[in-house]
Amino acid sequence: DQQVKQNSPSLSVQEGRISILNCDYTNSMFDYFLWYKKYPAEGPTFLISISSIKDKNEDGRFTVFLNKSAKHLSLHIVPSQPGDSAVYFCAASAGTGANNLFFGTGTRLTVIP
Amino acid sequence: NAGVTQTPKFRILKIGQSMTLQCTQDMNHNYMYWYRQDPGMGLKLIYYSVGAGITDKGEVPNGYNVSRSTTEDFPLRLELAAPSQTSVYFCASRLRQGLSTAHFGNGTRLTVT
Repeated sequence: DQQVKQNSPSLSVQEGRISILNCDYTNSMFDYFLWYKKYPAEGPTFLISISSIKDKNEDGRFTVFLNKSAKHLSLHIVPSQPGDSAVYFCAASAGTGANNLFFGTGTRLTVIP
Repeated sequence: NAGVTQTPKFRILKIGQSMTLQCTQDMNHNYMYWYRQDPGMGLKLIYYSVGAGITDKGEVPNGYNVSRSTTEDFPLRLELAAPSQTSVYFCASRLRQGLSTAHFGNGTRLTVT
């Protein structure tokens, strides 16, 4: 009963091109979504978030898009850099202050120089 | 600035043994969390605490206990280790203001054989 799904376990992209990571959720109570980046042997680090009152949020090279009707969000990285190579987790919660975050299974991004 | 520190980094336990995973943070965060990540899966919440003396169950609390006697420390106790508890354990802390402030430790990789 995975409430947050990342259906692509891995993605390879050439340096300088766009990376698009996708995430789907099933629980209509989720209204706050976050993306985390994780390097090997480290904990996840927060990347970017979006509230359900928005459909887009940008932070430098990172943009998150939210399609509430489709229960789908995506993370765009433009341009992709080799240092972006990591595992990316999508997470969702019911409220910005909720104590339980529901994580997807992650997508391993490899940016090829 | 150490952030969230977890010890040990690695541990192998025999079935039925007990151990405590240590987590300490130096950011004066009130909220602390324990997650586990099984291979190929997302992180799942085990227990959390909103302040010293206050703890509550997350999504997968069975087989674990926690305590929170100080703001800084949030140890996780396994009383009777089982193979199903083989996982990577992450501790996190955050400010009251929201999930995007969460900092994760680097994890403890536990194997129960």
